[in-house]
Amino acid sequence: DARVTQTPRDKVTEMGQEVTMRCQPILGHNTVFWYRQTMMQGLELLAYFRNRAPLDDSGMPKDRFSAEMPDATLATLKIQPSEPRDSAVYFCASGFGQGDTDTQYFGPGTRLTVL
Amino acid sequence: AQKITQTQPGMFVQEKEAVTLDCTYDTSDPSYGLFWYKQPSSGEMIFLIYQGSYDQQNATEGRYSLNFQKARKSANLVISASQLGDSAMYFCAMREGMGGSEKLVFGKGTKLTVNP
Repeated sequence: DARVTQTPRDKVTEMGQEVTMRCQPILGHNTVFWYRQTMMQGLELLAYFRNRAPLDDSGMPKDRFSAEMPDATLATLKIQPSEPRDSAVYFCASGFGQGDTDTQYFGPGTRLTVL
Repeated sequence: AQKITQTQPGMFVQEKEAVTLDCTYDTSDPSYGLFWYKQPSSGEMIFLIYQGSYDQQNATEGRYSLNFQKARKSANLVISASQLGDSAMYFCAMREGMGGSEKLVFGKGTKLTVNP
């Protein structure tokens, strides 16, 4: 049963600390997306990659957020320094990146709380 | 302007009844895809159903069907024979363009409660 995995599932940290979230996309998927969910903004795209290359990171605060794909099996999202307003659930999703019927499959999310 | 509008913040339905969750969209792109996801209280996002803009027939997946009215730009989700486990948030999303690499834009969601 192929699934997107994310670690950690929950993270509580203090303001100013660095936070790293990890995602393992479904094997064979070549597109990876990072979404953030908050009560106020709902689900919004932060960044996405195709074949490990960043295609769009316009939704991400550039001064503190960074997203990378060191290899095809790992995507990371870092926040440095973290702020209370970054508290949210961060989802990773992956897809095959081809064909109009392609579906994005979501991981379980990382619930981040910044105190 | 909102690209995906879900006008029902909350909906209630009796177990075994059918329910329709509304979704309207806004795009000038002739090629697009529409998706519905379910988010139970545990938090994960579960893909339910997909409709392509060029699909002639409404999509169906088990108890889920999508009532696609292209001229009205609506893509309502119909859940037949509701079950208690259907209680969750439901999100409508759109992908503009084809190819699979484009991002999804989500609506605000509808909270469905199934009563016994």
